[in-house]
Amino acid sequence: DTGVSQDPRHKITKRGQNVTFRCDPISEHNRLYWYRQTLGQGPEFLTYFQNEAQLEKSRLLSDRFSAERPKGSFSTLEIQRTEQGDSAMYLCASSLDETQYFGPGTRLLVL
Amino acid sequence: AQRVTQPEKLLSVFKGAPVELKCNYSYSGSPELFWYVQYSRQRLQLLLRHISRESIKGFTADLNKGETSFHLKKPFAQEEDSAMYYCALRVPGTYKYIFGTGTRLKVLA
Repeated sequence: DTGVSQDPRHKITKRGQNVTFRCDPISEHNRLYWYRQTLGQGPEFLTYFQNEAQLEKSRLLSDRFSAERPKGSFSTLEIQRTEQGDSAMYLCASSLDETQYFGPGTRLLVL
Repeated sequence: AQRVTQPEKLLSVFKGAPVELKCNYSYSGSPELFWYVQYSRQRLQLLLRHISRESIKGFTADLNKGETSFHLKKPFAQEEDSAMYYCALRVPGTYKYIFGTGTRLKVLA
């Protein structure tokens, strides 16, 4: 196991397009988190899954954002009708307890 | 609202000098606090948590509830300590983590 992986690593899209990111957690980890990080800021919590259940969701996560973890393994984060303000690094982390293991992130640029 | 403040964007120290990275939080109860580190071209990783009260790579952090602080300290900085450091808070009863804006530590030879 090479740790948490994310795909793609980079994504450039035009405003108004939909994008989907994937996160593959460490295999035995039941907890999965999504964060967004913009330049000069720390990671900003978006949502949390325990197995396949989405137990927490930031109110910052607008209706255009949706996340799934259908079988309690990998997760996807979709952004619909992207806006320039969505440009950021999207980080995924997984854990068994309070120690989160982060992925390398997906850098999104919305033109 | 819960908040984590790291007042310094950049901290430069000479090798062998003591280091203190400041972290203040706003939360009325007893939060769980963490320090995460990101070395150049590496992923964000956990450095330490206040509950474990351990020293990792020579770093320690003490939770001061009176001052609502969780400063990270190391008595003698090493060049390999150069990295981005983030303080984070977990709101008890939730799985929501709040990160500070980070402090870049540069250890000069």
